[in-house]
Amino acid sequence: NAGVMQNPRHLVRRRGQEARLRCSPMKGHSHVYWYRQLPEEGLKFMVYLQKENIIDESGMPKERFSAEFPKEGPSILRIQQVVRGDSAAYFCASSPSTVPGEQYFGPGTRLTVT
Amino acid sequence: TQLLEQSPQFLSIQEGENLTVYCNSSSVFSSLQWYRQEPGEGPVLLVTVVTGGEVKKLKRLTFQFGDARKDSSLHITAAQPGDTGLYLCAGVGLSNTGKLIFGQGTTLQVKP
Repeated sequence: NAGVMQNPRHLVRRRGQEARLRCSPMKGHSHVYWYRQLPEEGLKFMVYLQKENIIDESGMPKERFSAEFPKEGPSILRIQQVVRGDSAAYFCASSPSTVPGEQYFGPGTRLTVT
Repeated sequence: TQLLEQSPQFLSIQEGENLTVYCNSSSVFSSLQWYRQEPGEGPVLLVTVVTGGEVKKLKRLTFQFGDARKDSSLHITAAQPGDTGLYLCAGVGLSNTGKLIFGQGTTLQVKP
């Protein structure tokens, strides 16, 4: 059973460009969470999605950030007009519906904004 | 705002020693998870505890959930260099949607 897949692993963007991060959950998992880990800081929740629905986006910045989990295909975290402060590691996690806290993480995407 | 305080932040010990990492909060959690994270990788789930007072063992690692479900501990017996890494506790609040609230982490170094 393949684990959570994320791509790309590393992404370099210039200020003002768009960043698209992809996440494929574990087989059989219908819950996807995105977290951000800033340098020297802990992991912070961003958004929780189920297929075609955003369940909780309380950790998402109000502007420039969006997320989706379409019926087919991976979950996408999109950051428009990136700024240097967006440089961080972005992790996706998935869980089965029965135990919400039991989340399995992908390897992360390291975003660097130059 | 729910917070998880982890202590100690850094721990450097000799191979064979025992250690305990603590995770404390003033809030009640419906479940609590322990993860281990290597540099450049995502956190790897070690255990989930759900019931107050629950104790789970994973080889030389013992995890305990406090009776009131506000705190947890990770105890490692006879630490080995392979235990070196960042240990994270994370909890799910009673009324939230399943999002994890993370502690700041404990960086463990086990010297041979």
